[in-house]
Amino acid sequence: DGGITQSPKYLFRKEGQNVTLSCEQNLNHDAMYWYRQDPGQGLRLIYYSQIVNDFQKGDIAEGYSVSREKKESFPLTVTSAQKNPTAFYLCASSTLAGRETQYFGPGTRLLVL
Amino acid sequence: DAKTTQPTSMDCAEGRAANLPCNHSTISGNEYVYWYRQIHSQGPQYIIHGLKNNETNEMASLIITEDRKSSTLILPHATLRDTAVYYCIVRVVNTGTASKLTFGTGTRLQVTL
Repeated sequence: DGGITQSPKYLFRKEGQNVTLSCEQNLNHDAMYWYRQDPGQGLRLIYYSQIVNDFQKGDIAEGYSVSREKKESFPLTVTSAQKNPTAFYLCASSTLAGRETQYFGPGTRLLVL
Repeated sequence: DAKTTQPTSMDCAEGRAANLPCNHSTISGNEYVYWYRQIHSQGPQYIIHGLKNNETNEMASLIITEDRKSSTLILPHATLRDTAVYYCIVRVVNTGTASKLTFGTGTRLQVTL
C-alpha cells in the first residue's frame, strides 16, 4: 500500500535531549512537510522540502532541524533549543503539480519528561 | 493566503446532512477552497476542493457562493465516523512549488445517534 509512515507513535524525551522523528513516504512525492499541532489548535508548518537536499523554514522553525537526503525520507530533529516540544507532530507529502493535495501520516506524539 | 472563519462546533444527527459553513470574504481570484478533516489523534484527511464551481465526490459536496466569499461543505448522510474537526483552507495554487497549508482551529462536528 502507498502511504506515509511515521515512527514512533509515541516518543518520550528528557529535557535537554535531542530527538529525531521519522517520516517515510512511498508515494513518489517531491514535496514533504512537517507540522506541529498543540491541543485544540490547528497545524503549524515547521519545515518543508520541495526537492532532495533542499528545504525551507516554515512558520515555527526555531528549535527544529531537518534533512532530505532521499526523496522518500524527511526526518525531523527536535533539539534542546526547542523550549516547548511537547506536541503532536505530523508529516505530509504532495506532488508539485499545483492543485494536488497533501497526504498526511498518522503522527508522532512527543512528550517531554 | 486568505483567512477563513468557521464556527467552533456543530452537532448533527446520524443520517442527516451536515452542512459546515466557512467564511473567506478576502479570498483572491486565484485562491482555491480546500476542506480537510481530522479525526481525533490522527493525521488530517483531504475531503474536497474547488475554485468557483460546486464540486462533489464520494465523500462530500462543496458549494461555493457566486461571489466566492463563503462556502459550505455538505456531508449528505452523516455517520458517527464523520465526527471530527473540519478545516476550511484557502490557498493559492502554484504549479512547481510546495503547497503550504494554513490551518485554523476548524469546526468540531459531533454526530449523534
